[in-house]
Amino acid sequence: DIQMTQSPSSLSAFVGDRVTVICRASQSISGFLNWYQHKPGKAPTLLIYGASNLRSGVPSRFSGSGSETNFTLSISSLQPDDFATYFCQQSHSAPFDFGPGTKVDFK
Amino acid sequence: QVQLVQSGAEVAKPGASMRVSCKASGYIFTDYSIHWLRQAPGQRPEWMGWINAANGFTKFSQKFHGRVTITRDTSATTAYMELSSLRSEDTAIYYCARVFSSTYVFDYWGQGTLVTVSS
Repeated sequence: DIQMTQSPSSLSAFVGDRVTVICRASQSISGFLNWYQHKPGKAPTLLIYGASNLRSGVPSRFSGSGSETNFTLSISSLQPDDFATYFCQQSHSAPFDFGPGTKVDFK
Repeated sequence: QVQLVQSGAEVAKPGASMRVSCKASGYIFTDYSIHWLRQAPGQRPEWMGWINAANGFTKFSQKFHGRVTITRDTSATTAYMELSSLRSEDTAIYYCARVFSSTYVFDYWGQGTLVTVSS
């Protein structure tokens, strides 16, 4: 299995802040990295696929970058609706491992 | 609009089996595969397996091999996941998710089904 790590595990921020979440893979996954937003009691939703492709309908304040083993999710100006947990997921090979998540909450 | 609607919460005893359904609508069912994942309390999501909705081909995570069965009914546009020999560690929210072709990107998810394994 490919080990996925994320940092930080949690962060506190103000509305309007720029937020960055890092995801690392234990081996090269090329650009096969996706980001999901997960709110309590709801199903996860896809934000970014293929490391940097914004899913249709997702606000442009979200962006993704990276390749091989190092990836970043950025939120340019945090909005109240963005307080959630963010997971990365590798789609390179089974079992399509997820990172442990980064919880973003109010400062 | 694309929707995946799952069956309701279940309580099962250790050693028993459980089955969760996932009713798809809003798209051509056989154009996508359905994957099953689960998330135990405080844990990351975990992939269990998938079914090709067109031909019924299945593949499973080694972790669940032999305990999980995934089927589909194309006329009902519904996929099913059955997990047997349940143990307390199987307590989790189970999700179905849609994937296009072999991208392994989960673009739509069901609402989740809480399965509690308890004697």
